[in-house]
Amino acid sequence: GAGVSQSPSNKVTEKGKDVELRCDPISGHTALYWYRQSLGQGLEFLIYFQGNSAPDKSGLPSDRFSAERTGGSVSTLTIQRTQQEDSAVYLCASSRGGGEQTQYFGPGTRLLVL
Amino acid sequence: KQEVTQIPAALSVPEGENLVLNCSFTDSAIYNLQWFRQDPGKGLTSLLLIQSSQREQTSGRLNASLDKSSGRSTLYIAASQPGDSATYLCAIGGATNKLIFGTGTLLAVQP
Repeated sequence: GAGVSQSPSNKVTEKGKDVELRCDPISGHTALYWYRQSLGQGLEFLIYFQGNSAPDKSGLPSDRFSAERTGGSVSTLTIQRTQQEDSAVYLCASSRGGGEQTQYFGPGTRLLVL
Repeated sequence: KQEVTQIPAALSVPEGENLVLNCSFTDSAIYNLQWFRQDPGKGLTSLLLIQSSQREQTSGRLNASLDKSSGRSTLYIAASQPGDSATYLCAIGGATNKLIFGTGTLLAVQP
């Protein structure tokens, strides 16, 4: 079946602009995660959605970052007033939730802020 | 705060060798540990997941072990192949299942 998909695959933007990154999880997966992979920082957790519960936003680096998940499926990560240090690969993952913990990752969105 | 370390950072072996990748973590209060591989420019592929109550998991030529008390996990790859070349990441899952990743081991298997 279809895996996790993300769009766009690449995004180049100018400092100060807003960007939106999209994630389509595997159908039926109730849990959705956003991670960021940058040089020198490795892979770090950003935000986690589980069903209708309030999201765990503890990994968001600043209030310029926000995310929403509509209808328990598609998620959008928004970065406002982008900075050069936001340049990274943004990875989305989903899992079935409950007792199933294996996370399945999308191919990522490569963001470059000039 | 959980910290995850992987050793070695890079490894190059000839085809056919058996090899071991190491992962250590500082807080033994984990729910699970996952091993992933990442190919250049690609996302992560889950290889094995070990629950905190388990000691090991096997999938084909891969075997992962977990020793919670000592804060260590190993990924054993038997009869390595050039197609195994990738970055291998271990990740710790906690109560909310958000993953804390290690820094990775870059593996090159030479034909």
